[in-house]
Amino acid sequence: ILNVEQSPQSLHVQEGDSTNFTCSFPSSNFYALHWYRWETAKSPEALFVMTLNGDEKKKGRISATLNTKEGYSYLYIKGSQPEDSATYLCAPGSNFNKFYFGSGTKLNVKP
Amino acid sequence: DVKVTQSSRYLVKRTGEKVFLECVQDMDHENMFWYRQDPGLGLRLIYFSYDVKMKEKGDIPEGYSVSREKKERFSLILESASTNQTSMYLCASSLVRGRTGANVLTFGAGSRLTVL
Repeated sequence: ILNVEQSPQSLHVQEGDSTNFTCSFPSSNFYALHWYRWETAKSPEALFVMTLNGDEKKKGRISATLNTKEGYSYLYIKGSQPEDSATYLCAPGSNFNKFYFGSGTKLNVKP
Repeated sequence: DVKVTQSSRYLVKRTGEKVFLECVQDMDHENMFWYRQDPGLGLRLIYFSYDVKMKEKGDIPEGYSVSREKKERFSLILESASTNQTSMYLCASSLVRGRTGANVLTFGAGSRLTVL
């Protein structure tokens, strides 16, 4: 089992603030890393799939980076909006079917 | 869009009852998974299946079994429910075994089970 740590556990920001959170994982046996966004009363939805050291992915105002050598990934949200309020989960994997989820960062964006 | 449908959103059962949680996906995905989610913990894998009638234990299989008789349907069974199985259960599916970009999980909405 991979020990996955996400920080912070929760975050409260004002609309328009930019924010970032961290996902840390053991750097050995790395296969890929997924980021998911989970809004209340909905299903978790995939944001990014990252595989290579130095990967950077972007979707609108949200971007992510990956460092497999040191075992971390950052998720950035630029100019947070209330609709960004959700729990963000990272899931590094050691093979194609073994992905281990962190406990998530719960983001609340106040209007 | 791929849809993963879980049969029950909320269930309340008594200790010792047999519980079935059903999951159906409509996009011909090969892989299906059952996770549970508890406060302060990440999603933990109970069982997964990469083909009809095939199953593999995840990290916390004790007290659970699964059934996959058809490709689109993956059932989680609690043979004798206990209070420590009170949790949110999430079903997920992914397309093709072994292809990195294609094994992103598509989740159902979750089934919140309370065992009294």
